[in-house]
Parts: sequence; C-alpha cells; structure tokens
Amino acid sequence: TQLLEQSPQFLSIQEGENLTVYCNSSSVFSSLQWYRQEPGEGPVLLVTVVTGGEVKKLKRLTFQFGDARKDSSLHITAAQPGDTGLYLCAGAVRTNAGKSTFGDGTTLTVKP
Amino acid sequence: GAGVSQSPSNKVTEKGKDVELRCDPISGHTALYWYRQRLGQGLEFLIYFQGNSAPDKSGLPSDRFSAERTGESVSTLTIQRTQQEDSAVYLCASSLGAGPPNSPLHFGNGTRLTVT
Repeated sequence: TQLLEQSPQFLSIQEGENLTVYCNSSSVFSSLQWYRQEPGEGPVLLVTVVTGGEVKKLKRLTFQFGDARKDSSLHITAAQPGDTGLYLCAGAVRTNAGKSTFGDGTTLTVKP
Repeated sequence: GAGVSQSPSNKVTEKGKDVELRCDPISGHTALYWYRQRLGQGLEFLIYFQGNSAPDKSGLPSDRFSAERTGESVSTLTIQRTQQEDSAVYLCASSLGAGPPNSPLHFGNGTRLTVT
C-alpha cells in the first residue's frame, strides 16, 4: 500500500510570512500532483511534477520533487489571505495512473 | 457543461436506506473516478472507469458500494443499507485520458452525504 504523509496538518500564519508544506512517502511515484481545495468545492490542480529534482514555480508558489521521486515540498512566499485552503498532494504510478494516492492534506490559514 | 457536475450536492438519509449519487463528467473525457473524503482528511480512492476497460473497483470498501457508468458519460455510485460511517463527501473526477501525469483530474464539487 502506498502512503503519502503530509506535514504539518494545520498551519496558521500572518499575511506576508513564508511557509513550506511537506509530502513524504517510502514509495516511488511516476508523478506527483499538488491540489488546493476550498470549502464546498473539489480539489483544483496546481501543478504536476514528474522528474526527480524538478522545481516548478507558479507565481509565489514553488514546488519541488525529490531526487528519488518519493517526496515533494510546496513553498509559499509572502502568503496572502487568498492562499487559505486545504493543500493536498497526490502520487501516481505509470502502471496504475487511474488510482492516485492522496495525502491527508495541510489546512492553511493566512490571517490578514 | 464546462465542468464535472455532481448531484445532489447534499443528501441526508436514514441509516439502512439506499442512496444513489450521480456524476456527469466533462464531455469527451474517457476516464471517470470516484473518491471519498471524510471530514478534514484526504481523498480515498473508490473506483475508476477508463473507456471500455473493466473498472478498477479495488477501492470499494464493502459490497454495499457499487458504481456504474454508461459508455463515456454519466456515472452513478450506489450505497446500499447506508451506515453512519458512510457519512462523507463523495467526489467525482474525470480526465481526458488515463490519468496523471498527462491527463489531469478535474473534480466536481462533491456530494455531501450524511447518514443519521
């Protein structure tokens, strides 16, 4: 069974601060996705990383895939209240692409 | 429609009753997925349909759960003899192809099921 552990589970910070969320596994994934989910809505894809060591930037968000493709991190610079939400990582393997494994998520609250 | 549509958005049912949840995927998407999300937790895979292939039912928690898909369109998830532990948000997603990384998942807003 492939498991993804996210940390921290909850994070409450002030506007303007930086933060990092981690996603770790003992399993190797072909690709890893990060989603953001707001209350009452489904998850929305932020990014997909596929290459070990890959770094992707999306405005103030920086995503990194570990060299061994077992872990990933999401770093937010100068967080804003609009960044508030549940951040989920999900891993997929090429031989079973339809069955993504999701972490339990990090609930981020950014206070103005 | 423009996105994945799920109905109803909320469902309250009594323990022991059967419920049907509906998902309309994005037109042209060959793959359809059902996930369950308990309060404050991540998503738990239930079932995956891809084109004409046999569905991957490996995530269904018990034989009370079943799902069908008509061709490459609407899907229904049926829960028989509901139990309180079935209370959760049931999310449907669709993708153009067989899933990540080349075919990202597009999620609906879910059906919140409450079993009393």
